[in-house]
This record gives sequence, C-alpha cells and structure tokens, in this order.
Amino acid sequence: DAKTTQPPSMDCAEGRAANLPCNHSTISGNEYVYWYRQIHSQGPQYIIHGLKNNETNEMASLIITEDRKSSTLILPHATLRDTAVYYCIVRVTGGFKTIFGAGTRLFVKA
Amino acid sequence: DAGVTQSPTHLIKTRGQQVTLRCSPKSGHDTVSWYQQALGQGPQFIFQYYEEEERQRGNFPDRFSGHQFPNYSSELNVNALLLGDSALYLCASSRGQNNQPQHFGDGTRLSIL
Repeated sequence: DAKTTQPPSMDCAEGRAANLPCNHSTISGNEYVYWYRQIHSQGPQYIIHGLKNNETNEMASLIITEDRKSSTLILPHATLRDTAVYYCIVRVTGGFKTIFGAGTRLFVKA
Repeated sequence: DAGVTQSPTHLIKTRGQQVTLRCSPKSGHDTVSWYQQALGQGPQFIFQYYEEEERQRGNFPDRFSGHQFPNYSSELNVNALLLGDSALYLCASSRGQNNQPQHFGDGTRLSIL
C-alpha cells in the first residue's frame, strides 16, 4: 500500500471552505484514496473515497489530480464540529491492510 | 442500524496478564480489522479477519491473536501484557473484499499498570 504525506496541522475560519491536501506520489493504478477523520476520543469516521474521478457526498468533496499523485479533501463550509484529525489513506481494492499516517489536525476557529 | 460496537469501553490490567476485547461489526459487514492507536499517533494495523480466517497481519508479535465467529463478530486477545500495550484498540468492519470503506467503532481504552 502506498504511503501518504499530509501537513501536520491547518487552521480554517468557521463558514469558510477547508482544503486539506494529501500527497500520494507512489500510488498504484488499482489503489483507492480514502479520507477519514477522528474526533477526540472517538473512532475514525469515514468521509469519502475515490479512484480517479472527483467525488462528492453530503460531507465533503474529493478532488484527485489527473496523475493521481495527490488529492484534496474539501469541506465546503467548515463548522467548529469539523475540528478533528483528518487521515488520507490509499488502499488497493480488496487489500487487507490499511496504513494510517499521522494525519492533519484541522482547527476550525470562530 | 447499529454501527460497529466494541466492549468493554475501558479496561485496566497489570503487566503479564491476558486480555480479550470484543467487536460486533456493522450489520451486513463480514470483514473485521483490528488496530492499535497509541496516544497522539495514527491507528496501526494489527490484523484482519474474513471468512473466519486471519488474512493479513501487521507488525505485531504473536502475543496478539484473534478470532472471528460465524456471526462475523471478532475477538482480539493479547497475552503477557506489557506497559507498551497501553493504547486505544479499534475495530473496523467492512463488506466483502472490494473498495468498500471500513467503519470504525469507538474503541476499547486499555491501560496497563
């Protein structure tokens, strides 16, 4: 499974869009990109995933570059409750192992 | 629709003891993975169970073992506990061996004295 690189922390103003980058330059063609977040004292929460097309759901949007070497998670209107550690993960279809990095600690400020 | 449930939520043990943690997967899920999360770090993969067999294992010693039952629930056993085993133990479930995402429980906080 490919490794990912994320900034250790980011700030965002409440109501503004939060754009969280992730570098996965060694990603293989059959590896999906997944995003999770973890709020203090809770288990990681699934947000979104994609292979090569941009994806959107009720929580966020995922933008994957054409060469698939990086991606951006977009929270369109960040709230204080979005303060959490965000993990970007790549995993092969049917792969058993999920490797978490250190993630990005997002602080949403009023 | 109940999500992933883990028990107990907190546990205190002493060095050398043995512990069993339990996980019930989300309804419709048949694959269970276990992770260890030390304070301030990301979760580390321990192993995954599918069709009652251990499919892949992370870099953890044999003191860590598991089991999956016919109803897809799972147990994590840790023998000869060390102080360094103090962590949050997370269970995640998913459906099948495809690109479906894992769903996590809130974990068991294990403290070793």
